[in-house]
Amino acid sequence: DAGVTQSPTHLIKTRGQQVTLRCSPKSGHDTVSWYQQALGQGPQFIFQYYEEEERQRGNFPDRFSGHQFPNYSSELNVNALLLGDSALYLCASSPRVSLMNTEAFFGQGTRLTVV
Amino acid sequence: DAKTTQPNSMESNEEEPVHLPCNHSTISGTDYIHWYRQLPSQGPEYVIHGLTSNVNNRMASLAIAEDRKSSTLILHRATLRDAAVYYCILRGAGGTSYGKLTFGQGTILTVHP
Repeated sequence: DAGVTQSPTHLIKTRGQQVTLRCSPKSGHDTVSWYQQALGQGPQFIFQYYEEEERQRGNFPDRFSGHQFPNYSSELNVNALLLGDSALYLCASSPRVSLMNTEAFFGQGTRLTVV
Repeated sequence: DAKTTQPNSMESNEEEPVHLPCNHSTISGTDYIHWYRQLPSQGPEYVIHGLTSNVNNRMASLAIAEDRKSSTLILHRATLRDAAVYYCILRGAGGTSYGKLTFGQGTILTVHP
């Protein structure tokens, strides 16, 4: 089992552009969450997807949107990039049935730099 | 969201036990206490979690106070590989918090050879 995989590992974008980040959850996991981690800070929850719908959302603007596919994989889209969007973006997966009482598996993250 | 409070940093010597404290005075009855750690340039890694009783696994032990307002992560014999940022997190069960992990600043653990 490859665990949670994210792509790409690094990318550089220009202000105003749009970016799409991808996540494949651990096998058997149907719930995917996205987090943003600025340098020196703890990860901040963006949103959670289950059954192809956004179920929870953190305090992030509408420029941040997502999608979940029938195979449980997920995408994070960010429009109109700002310099402040530069961060490590983390994807985490868990099985919904035991969401509270089980560990979340994190990917290695995508390092986004906005210039 | 229920908050946790941890010391900013702690130090330990290799092969000695480490006790990492966490306060969570506003914990609700259905919140699970989770601990994760993060090495530089990596995603967080699960360490342990519990609800009311103390828990042990191959990595660590979790001691939960009787009133659940605090907990302590115990690394029985610290190694250099245990140097990381340790996060104490309450995993919410209710409403808009369901399943969400709310990270704080964490505790930076330094292990000396």
